[in-house]
Amino acid sequence: AQSVTQLDSQVPVFEEAPVELRCNYSSSVSVYLFWYVQYPNQGLQLLLKYLSGSTLVKGINGFEAEFNKSQTSFHLRKPSVHISDTAEYFCVFYNNNDMRFGAGTRLTVKP
Amino acid sequence: DAGVTQSPTHLIKTRGQQVTLRCSPKSGHDTVSWYQQALGQGPQFIFQYYEEEERQRGNFPDRFSGHQFPNYSSELNVNALLLGDSALYLCASSTGTPAGEQYFGPGTRLTVT
Repeated sequence: AQSVTQLDSQVPVFEEAPVELRCNYSSSVSVYLFWYVQYPNQGLQLLLKYLSGSTLVKGINGFEAEFNKSQTSFHLRKPSVHISDTAEYFCVFYNNNDMRFGAGTRLTVKP
Repeated sequence: DAGVTQSPTHLIKTRGQQVTLRCSPKSGHDTVSWYQQALGQGPQFIFQYYEEEERQRGNFPDRFSGHQFPNYSSELNVNALLLGDSALYLCASSTGTPAGEQYFGPGTRLTVT
């Protein structure tokens, strides 16, 4: 069965610290992977995507993610977070018109 | 260029009633997908419409139905509402490529009492 798992439901960090939000997927076929962010009371916004090619993907707001096929992971990273990065982050798996969201990771950046 | 718009923003219904939610896709997009996001959870895929037909469907009962119009806008209908249908309903639009890149609307918050 195809699925996506976000390993941390909540990640609290201090401002300017690095952060990694973990995501693993399960699929027997090639997939597309995305990270979306949902700010409080706002719609989902695409952060970055992996379709093919380079396994290191850079997105908006200084985020990047690395696709690791052997470990079936697509972890999201940022070297230095800001208060404004506080939001819910979703790892998303897409294959053949089937788009599946992880349960989400709540990133809270503290001053 | 307007993005994806949804109406209404909030809605309160009673168990057993029926509801219709509406979505206008981003300009140039021809595919509309609907998602249900329960409180504290990730969005769950309901179905996707393309060329006025349901192309893909998630694990939702037949009480959930939809429609796509020639101008690509879409409606989500839910019959015989249950308390468990209370959620944020998200609409997303896309084109054929790149695969899966969807633009989301702000959602409609449905409360069933």
